[in-house]
Amino acid sequence: GQSLEQPSEVTAVEGAIVQINCTYQTSGFYGLSWYQQHDGGAPTFLSYNALDGLEETGRFSSFLSRSDSYGYLLLQELQMKDSASYFCAVRDGTSGSARQLTFGSGTQLTVLP
Amino acid sequence: GAVVSQHPSWVICKSGTSVKIECRSLDFQATTMFWYRQFPKQSLMLMATSNEGSKATYEQGVEKDKFLINHASLTLSTLTVTSAHPEDSSFYICSADGERYNEQFFGPGTRLTVL
Repeated sequence: GQSLEQPSEVTAVEGAIVQINCTYQTSGFYGLSWYQQHDGGAPTFLSYNALDGLEETGRFSSFLSRSDSYGYLLLQELQMKDSASYFCAVRDGTSGSARQLTFGSGTQLTVLP
Repeated sequence: GAVVSQHPSWVICKSGTSVKIECRSLDFQATTMFWYRQFPKQSLMLMATSNEGSKATYEQGVEKDKFLINHASLTLSTLTVTSAHPEDSSFYICSADGERYNEQFFGPGTRLTVL
């Protein structure tokens, strides 16, 4: 089976930097993805790491260490609109479809003025 | 970017009735679509993988006779919740694979409330 752990809640102020960690246990591994979901909305793709290292996309960066089964999402210059739930997800390839995603429990980020 | 639509966006029905939810890829073809269920303040749980032209693959614990999935074309998958009960009330979200390996596009979700 597979499991992912991430903090349930994080609070920060506007302009700050916040890091959301994710540790995973999977039988196989094809990559770690991050999704943002606002209340009542659909998940939107933020980033994907298949190899070790840092991927940067604007204010958001994502890091992966395959040897540690660990990754994180880094959000810089926080804005109020960043208040949302953030999910890490793995593609583990153990099922018939290697593209299946297993999601973590989600981290609720609250950005305060 | 690729767009996935769902219809309806919300539905309220009586217990015992059946509800059909449509998932469409609007500007690309999707041989594989996924159906998720999400309860309030919880994560997305994969229910089934829908493959065009073949039977869906259901996750453990998901009743295939209750949640009927049909993927009749490369742009449309449907989920029918049969004999719905209040415990089936949830947010149902579909997704479709994009062309690149790491891409998966999500629909806006359907809020089902069973009275």
